[in-house]
Amino acid sequence: AQSVTQPDIHITVSEGASLELRCNYSYGATPYLFWYVQSPGQGLQLLLKYFSGDTLVQGIKGFEAEFKRSQSSFNLRKPSVHWSDAAEYFCAVGGTGNQFYFGTGTSLTVIP
Amino acid sequence: GAVVSQHPSWVICKSGTSVKIECRSLDFQATTMFWYRQFPKQSLMLMATSNEGSKATYEQGVEKDKFLINHASLTLSTLTVTSAHPEDSSFYICSARTLAPYEQYFGPGTRLTVT
Repeated sequence: AQSVTQPDIHITVSEGASLELRCNYSYGATPYLFWYVQSPGQGLQLLLKYFSGDTLVQGIKGFEAEFKRSQSSFNLRKPSVHWSDAAEYFCAVGGTGNQFYFGTGTSLTVIP
Repeated sequence: GAVVSQHPSWVICKSGTSVKIECRSLDFQATTMFWYRQFPKQSLMLMATSNEGSKATYEQGVEKDKFLINHASLTLSTLTVTSAHPEDSSFYICSARTLAPYEQYFGPGTRLTVT
């Protein structure tokens, strides 16, 4: 069955520190992988996506993610977190069909 | 590019009334649109998938007679919550996609409160 797991419900980091948000997926076919960010009361903004090719993908706002097929993971990273990065982060997997599968989200708090 | 709008951004209605939410793709034609529901502090739950000119496909457990979806054109889909009840209060998000590259573009969401 297709699913996405984000093991960390909530993460707190200090401003300027590095960040890694974990995402594991289960998908029967070649996955298309996405990371979205959601600020309170807002819709989802695409941070980055992986379809094929280089397994390290760069996104907006200084984020990057690495696709590791052997680990079924697509972890999101940022070398230096800014206070404005505080938000909810969702990992999603999809394919050539319609269905997107979202993880339960990771809430990021940034402390000064 | 790839902007999706929703209207209204928030709405308050009385129990028993109906409310319509519009989802528009502003700068592209969306072959498929999706409606999600999100409860506080939770992930998005897919409610239904709609393709232009055909009936929507509802996910298991979603009442199709309560949540009416119409995809009248390649740029507009509407969700009508009929006979709304307080438990229908939620954040509703639509998304739209083209045939490729298989990514979805999300609207800003609509906060529905039923009193």
